[in-house]
Amino acid sequence: EVQVLESGGGLVQPGNSLKLSCATSGFTFSTAWMYWYRQFPEKRLEWVARIKAKSNNYATDYTESVKGRFTISRDDSKSSIYLQMNNLKEEDTAIYYCAWRYYSGDYWGQGVMVTVSS
Amino acid sequence: DVVMTQTPVSLSVSLGGQTSISCRSSQSLVHSDGNTYLYWYLQKPGQSPQLLIYKVSNRFSGVPDRFSGSGSGTDFTLKISRVEPEDLGVYYCYQGTHYPLTFGSGTKLEIK
Repeated sequence: EVQVLESGGGLVQPGNSLKLSCATSGFTFSTAWMYWYRQFPEKRLEWVARIKAKSNNYATDYTESVKGRFTISRDDSKSSIYLQMNNLKEEDTAIYYCAWRYYSGDYWGQGVMVTVSS
Repeated sequence: DVVMTQTPVSLSVSLGGQTSISCRSSQSLVHSDGNTYLYWYLQKPGQSPQLLIYKVSNRFSGVPDRFSGSGSGTDFTLKISRVEPEDLGVYYCYQGTHYPLTFGSGTKLEIK
């Protein structure tokens, strides 16, 4: 059974940092392309970042609004990915979802809430 | 960025009825590899989005055949037949062809 579980969310002040984790099981993680998405309070969904597998040199990509502030990474030995979020802004407040996407589908976690507020 | 325009914003359907949702993209979703990476999701209240349809018309594992997807290029449709109570929620289309990857704004389905 595929499992995707996010952790690390919480309340943080503007300008501060937070690191999200996503632990997975039930599939071959080392060859998986992994994604972070977020859903804003008004329910709008946004893709945040993607990291490819080792065979693709762990290539990363980001939505424009987080470039230079967020970093996606992975640890294949732990079947986990991470999202390091620096210089957080109030507009980063959202539920953050981790997802495994493959050729014929995907699996999402249940999400973790990040609130950026003073 | 590719803009995904979904219509209608909301709809109300009787149990057992049929309905459809439209999704139009601002540019063709045909990838250079020949595939069209258009997906449909349903987000039930309090849950994360769940995949219904991948690559325009393929039902994801466990998705009932009441759900069907069609379309090509820039114009896509999700049809739901024999609507059941568990179909309520917000439906989103999503394109995985062009970066940044983008979602439609959602269609809220209510049961009459």
